[in-house]
Amino acid sequence: EDQVTQSPEALRLQEGESSSLNCSYTVSGLRGLFWYRQDPGKGPEFLFTLYSAGEEKEKERLKATLTKKESFLHITAPKPEDSATYLCAWFRDYKLSFGAGTTVTVRA
Amino acid sequence: DVKVTQSSRYLVKRTGEKVFLECVQDMDHENMFWYRQDPGLGLRLIYFSYDVKMKEKGDIPEGYSVSREKKERFSLILESASTNQTSMYLCASSPGQVGDTQYFGPGTRLTVL
Repeated sequence: EDQVTQSPEALRLQEGESSSLNCSYTVSGLRGLFWYRQDPGKGPEFLFTLYSAGEEKEKERLKATLTKKESFLHITAPKPEDSATYLCAWFRDYKLSFGAGTTVTVRA
Repeated sequence: DVKVTQSSRYLVKRTGEKVFLECVQDMDHENMFWYRQDPGLGLRLIYFSYDVKMKEKGDIPEGYSVSREKKERFSLILESASTNQTSMYLCASSPGQVGDTQYFGPGTRLTVL
């Protein structure tokens, strides 16, 4: 069965403490993987799309990487405003299938 | 900037009521989507539309229907609301190619009593 698994479910960090979130997938013929950020009570906000193993993308303190079996979202020197739930999703045809998300809390 | 708007942020309805959730996008996108989001289950696709008057079932279409009479507007209809439809409903749109980025609205928190 095709699925996407995110770990950990929750992550508590001190400001400046770098860490990584994992998105592993068992999807045949993966054609692209998306990362979104979601703040409480709001809709997901697009961050990155990765299409092939070895690809990397960066935005401010965030860096997403993709291998053949998993994707990582690295948060470097996080700030409290990076607190959010981070969602990964893979697409097939026109549809996205989402993982359950990792909730990141960054304490000052 | 892409803008996707949803008609209500919060909605409270009674069991058995007919409920309409409206979504409008202003970027001339071909595709529109309705998801529901529940704790521990993530986002699940209810229906999507890749053209006006066209619709496709997603992963959990039971108890829902949709309408797309105009390109910019996609409505989700709960014919007879039930308590298990209490959830956060999210609308999204994408330009039109397979794998295009989906842009989400702010969501509607629906409570069915």
